[in-house]
Amino acid sequence: NAGVTQTPKFRVLKTGQSMTLLCAQDMNHEYMYWYRQDPGMGLRLIHYSVGEGTTAKGEVPDGYNVSRLKKQNFLLGLESAAPSQTSVYFCASSYSRGFNTEAFFGQGTRLTVV
Amino acid sequence: AQKVTQAQTEISVVEKEDVTLDCVYETRDTTYYLFWYKQPPSGELVFLIRRNSFDEQNEISGRYSWNFQKSTSSFNFTITASQVVDSAVYFCALSENNAGNMLTFGGGTRLMVKP
Repeated sequence: NAGVTQTPKFRVLKTGQSMTLLCAQDMNHEYMYWYRQDPGMGLRLIHYSVGEGTTAKGEVPDGYNVSRLKKQNFLLGLESAAPSQTSVYFCASSYSRGFNTEAFFGQGTRLTVV
Repeated sequence: AQKVTQAQTEISVVEKEDVTLDCVYETRDTTYYLFWYKQPPSGELVFLIRRNSFDEQNEISGRYSWNFQKSTSSFNFTITASQVVDSAVYFCALSENNAGNMLTFGGGTRLMVKP
């Protein structure tokens, strides 16, 4: 059982380049999330999805776009990378609203924008 | 708006000492969930505990215990007889009932346990 898988695990981008981070979950979870982790700030929510074909903005959405074309996949795109987007990105998924609200996290993607 | 504060950014203890990590939260919801996650040096996030707002019973799991007090909006985490393997960053998080399971994280506490 793979759980939540993120690709790639590491990436270096030049300012202005674009890239897509892929998150895949095999637990049939409805909810998926993208967070970024910066020193001293914990994890902050970028975008999230409550089901296939739906997305919504989180706390820090600027500079990012997302898509949820398939239930198991949640893509995070950077159209024109900036040094301020250097961070560790985590994808997570959870079953649904309600009692079972544990989120399962991927291993993280370390992105450096130079 | 929901907020989680972990005032201790770094704690250093010697092995076998007890240590308490503090977590204070703010929410206007009456129904919410509180979590603790561990992030070891390898970087992944490991779920430790989930507690809903209607259950104020303290919980003990081996060397770990959690003290939830709604009166002070705190959800503190104690490690008894700490070990070097406990060295990690620990995050407290809050999820409001009407917020789509979104987690709001505290800034994290880095715990260093020295042999």
